[in-house]
Amino acid sequence: EPEVTQTPSHQVTQMGQEVILRCVPISNHLYFYWYRQILGQKVEFLVSFYNNEISEKSEIFDDQFSVERPDGSNFTLKIRSTKLEDSAMYFCASRSSGWEQFFGPGTRLTVL
Amino acid sequence: AQSVAQPEDQVNVAEGNPLTVKCTYSVSGNPYLFWYVQYPNRGLQFLLKYITGDNLVKGSYGFEAEFNKSQTSFHLKKPSALVSDSALYFCAVRDMRNTDKLIFGTGTRLQVFP
Repeated sequence: EPEVTQTPSHQVTQMGQEVILRCVPISNHLYFYWYRQILGQKVEFLVSFYNNEISEKSEIFDDQFSVERPDGSNFTLKIRSTKLEDSAMYFCASRSSGWEQFFGPGTRLTVL
Repeated sequence: AQSVAQPEDQVNVAEGNPLTVKCTYSVSGNPYLFWYVQYPNRGLQFLLKYITGDNLVKGSYGFEAEFNKSQTSFHLKKPSALVSDSALYFCAVRDMRNTDKLIFGTGTRLQVFP
């Protein structure tokens, strides 16, 4: 069964550094998403992406965040200058024309 | 504003007994409703959805959920719990009218005891 994959599983970085989180969505999916889950809190929407552009973003997704689909398979989330409060589990998701989103296993980002 | 409430942080049930995990929602338009399960160190796995049609929807692993429009609820149920059902369960809603994002509840930890 096809799955969303994410790399790395765990990323440790120093405050102020740039990080790139990578995702490979399910191959025939057209809609892509990033969510995050701060430890002990609910899963929060960050951004959705369709047809090579952002279709919606939350107030969390400020100028420090960007997304890109550099080729036909990868979908990346970049945080330009990480803050301590960016520490969270980041989930990538994708969907086809159906409404359910399929989530990857997540990348745990730790900012020191 | 859209929101989802899962009033129970934890639900405990004995193996073989029926289980219910509660969810209520608030949206301005018609809701699309989803249940996801999260096992330790894993991502969110899709269980089932309600989009339209029959109020009782069936999903993976024997789970089902009942959509109740008047009570704005979408409770997850299973007739006979298994120890392996122990996990964190999330209810999510999408307001189909004006957004593609999912709004999640805070999650309910289900503990099934042998």
